[in-house]
Amino acid sequence: DIQMTQSPSSLSASVGDRVTITCRASESISTYLNWYQQKPGKAPKALIYAASNLQSGVPSRFIGSGSGTDFTLTITSLQPEDFATYFCQQSSDTATFGQGTKVEIK
Amino acid sequence: QVQLQESGPGLVKPSQTLSLTCTVSGGSISSGSYYWSWIRQPAGKGLEFLGRIYISGSTDYNPSLNSRVTMSIDKSKNQFSLRLTSVTAADTAVYYCARTRMYSFGTVFDNWGQGTLVTVSS
Repeated sequence: DIQMTQSPSSLSASVGDRVTITCRASESISTYLNWYQQKPGKAPKALIYAASNLQSGVPSRFIGSGSGTDFTLTITSLQPEDFATYFCQQSSDTATFGQGTKVEIK
Repeated sequence: QVQLQESGPGLVKPSQTLSLTCTVSGGSISSGSYYWSWIRQPAGKGLEFLGRIYISGSTDYNPSLNSRVTMSIDKSKNQFSLRLTSVTAADTAVYYCARTRMYSFGTVFDNWGQGTLVTVSS
């Protein structure tokens, strides 16, 4: 099965910062890569699908890129509501998730 | 606005069977554009895909569950269900149901239930 590895596992940032999270697949998954945001006590919410496509209603400050095995999620200007945990997920072979990246307030 | 809601016992004894149902409202479960999935998350940990079912009844399960999982769908009730047998404490988690949208050759979990905590304990 395909393993997904995210880095870092956590980061501290300030409002207005540019934040980048990376996700690596154990084998090529083309662009079958999704990103989710999860806040404490809530279900995850889809942000980006197919590596770079914004889910409906998601702000344009969230940018996804990559293909093959290496992917990134960039938040161009961190907002207070963006402090959360982010997960990548491959859909090339059913589904597996990365372990998550917690974005905390500096 | 499609909504999903999990229901079922919050406490299951070890070695018994965990059974959950997801009720879909505001839309038809029979739409051909979606799978219907179960995902779980132990406290403080990551997300684990358990499996998915299509309206035809075809399923894809996570092989790590070693045939303990079964999913079914009831189009007349707009519901789909999860059964997990021989549970242990390691199965304690928040269980989510999720609508799974198909695009080209990929899928995305685009609509989630709020989740339900299932604790395995005697």
